[in-house]
Amino acid sequence: NAGVTQTPKFQVLKTGQSMTLQCAQDMNHNSMYWYRQDPGMGLRLIYYSASEGTTDKGEVPNGYNVSRLNKREFSLRLESAAPSQTSVYFCASSSDGFSGNTIYFGEGSWLTVV
Amino acid sequence: SQQGEEDPQALSIQEGENATMNCSYKTSINNLQWYRQNSGRGLVHLILIRSNEREKHSGRLRVTLDTSKKSSSLLITASRAADTASYFCATAKTGSARQLTFGSGTQLTVLP
Repeated sequence: NAGVTQTPKFQVLKTGQSMTLQCAQDMNHNSMYWYRQDPGMGLRLIYYSASEGTTDKGEVPNGYNVSRLNKREFSLRLESAAPSQTSVYFCASSSDGFSGNTIYFGEGSWLTVV
Repeated sequence: SQQGEEDPQALSIQEGENATMNCSYKTSINNLQWYRQNSGRGLVHLILIRSNEREKHSGRLRVTLDTSKKSSSLLITASRAADTASYFCATAKTGSARQLTFGSGTQLTVLP
């Protein structure tokens, strides 16, 4: 019962460094998402992918890039990390968008940029 | 900007009492969902209510939706210490169903 698996769990980066957060789901879902969660602000959508081969910007896409590698995997890349990107990042998936389907979340990746 | 806003921000009750959390939103929605997050963990889906529904039950959970007031409430009956968590409402806007917008959450503490 793996569900949504994301790595790494914790990461400390220096300003300007790059890194990729990996996410994989084993539920054969079409849609995948990346959110960030900051204290007192709830979750904000960074990017999403409605199906393999497609990606779209969410509410806060600046400073990030994504790749939907295949149906299972959806990665988030920070090309040049900034302290403002210190946050908890959640990957999620659903069978077909938000129109009535449950979204399943990973356990989160804690990223600190110093 | 936050589409959904929960109220109160924090709630502390005794085990066995009922807990009520409210959510207000700004635009027309396709559906509204409630999620739970234990400290240091991911979010877990609790219940979804569609815009044409007024009330929904799931175990000890009762959700209401008033589209005229653009508000929803989550009631947890007979609370347990294990219900201690943050609770978030999330809305799927009409016409933008792929963009689920979360509120900032209610931190519920159930004291044993």
